[in-house]
Amino acid sequence: QVQLVQSGAEVKKPGASVKVSCKASGYTFTSYGISWVRQAPGQGLEWMGWISAYNGNTNYAQKLQGRVTMTTDTSTSTAYMELRSLRSDDTAVYYCARVGIWGQGTMVTVSS
Amino acid sequence: QLVLTQSPSASASLGASVKLTCTLSSGHSSYAIAWHQQQPEKGPRYLMKLNSDGSHSKGDGIPDRFSGSSSGAERYLTISSLQSEDEADYYCQTWGTGNWVFGGGTKLTVL
Repeated sequence: QVQLVQSGAEVKKPGASVKVSCKASGYTFTSYGISWVRQAPGQGLEWMGWISAYNGNTNYAQKLQGRVTMTTDTSTSTAYMELRSLRSDDTAVYYCARVGIWGQGTMVTVSS
Repeated sequence: QLVLTQSPSASASLGASVKLTCTLSSGHSSYAIAWHQQQPEKGPRYLMKLNSDGSHSKGDGIPDRFSGSSSGAERYLTISSLQSEDEADYYCQTWGTGNWVFGGGTKLTVL
């Protein structure tokens, strides 16, 4: 069936980087873009950005410009989201999603 | 600016029906939206895409109890025959120019 499977939880120190993966299966990977969405503890959903799995075009949320990079590997049907210069307020569950499907989420904790 | 507005909370009794509202900002009343459900301690689940004319397409496995409708800039999610597992946060989401926009979410309590 169609699914997005994400990498496991991460604990990082402030200033470090994290890279989360999202492996797609059950559909033609290049037919859909992938969005990344995060949710801080007790908060709502925040859109981070989008990448076309067809040609790699990206669009990032303005507040994350310069700190986030989204990429894809079409050979493995996997999308990646890297966030740099981590701060405590980046602590959140990070989700990948495409129309109709969500990944299971990856908890990223930023703590000294 | 494209903004989605949702009431923070709603409640209804077990077995009853409830209608949640998502309001599109001025000038955006033709936009389609999606509804997502997030049960406690779980990730979001896609419920449906809802067009401005009220037509909607549900995700795989979404029960018939969930339906959508539209009126002007308002987009509705109706849940009938409420069950305990319907207690969740419900988010509407739309597509801007190269981005997604989320409403603040409605917390539904089943009494």
